[in-house]
Amino acid sequence: DAKTTQPNSMESNEEEPVHLPCNHSTISGTDYIHWYRQLPSQGPEYVIHGLTSNVNNRMASLAIAEDRKSSTLILHRATLRDAAVYYCILRDGFGNEKLTFGTGTRLTIIP
Amino acid sequence: EAQVTQNPRYLITVTGKKLTVTCSQNMNHEYMSWYRQDPGLGLRQIYYSMNVEVTDKGDVPEGYKVSRKEKRNFPLILESPSPNQTSLYFCASSPRTYFNEQFFGPGTRLTVL
Repeated sequence: DAKTTQPNSMESNEEEPVHLPCNHSTISGTDYIHWYRQLPSQGPEYVIHGLTSNVNNRMASLAIAEDRKSSTLILHRATLRDAAVYYCILRDGFGNEKLTFGTGTRLTIIP
Repeated sequence: EAQVTQNPRYLITVTGKKLTVTCSQNMNHEYMSWYRQDPGLGLRQIYYSMNVEVTDKGDVPEGYKVSRKEKRNFPLILESPSPNQTSLYFCASSPRTYFNEQFFGPGTRLTVL
């Protein structure tokens, strides 16, 4: 599986936008970019995914660089409930559909 | 409510005493999987199942068994638990469509003394 690189931790003020970066310089043409997050004492939950174009859903937006070697998860207005570890994962959608989790970014929201 | 359930949520046991952690999903998903999460190592896949009666090893299958006799259930069996299997375990399920989201259970915290 291609590797992703994320900062270990980030802080943001409540009610402000948060930009969580992810580098994936070895991404292949068939790799989709997925984001999951893990709230304290819970299992991971799906956030968003994309291939080439920017994507929006009710939870977040995903901005993908034109060369696809990096992406950014955008939380438009962070709340305390968004404090979690965020994982950027590459999936090719074939094989066993395994998610390969890295160490992720621990996001702290400051009230 | 669509969900993945795991039981028990917490378990303390002793070395060598066989145990089973159950996983059940009510979404009619074909794919199910078990992960373990350890500090500094992230989540690693133990076993997975593409459908009923189809199972295969993940990255860390040693010391574990699974079965998939029904679509909704995917139990994780530790025949002879050892202290290095002390971990947080997650079950996940998803439909077998490409690029689909996976749904995770709440986790089972296992301690083997």
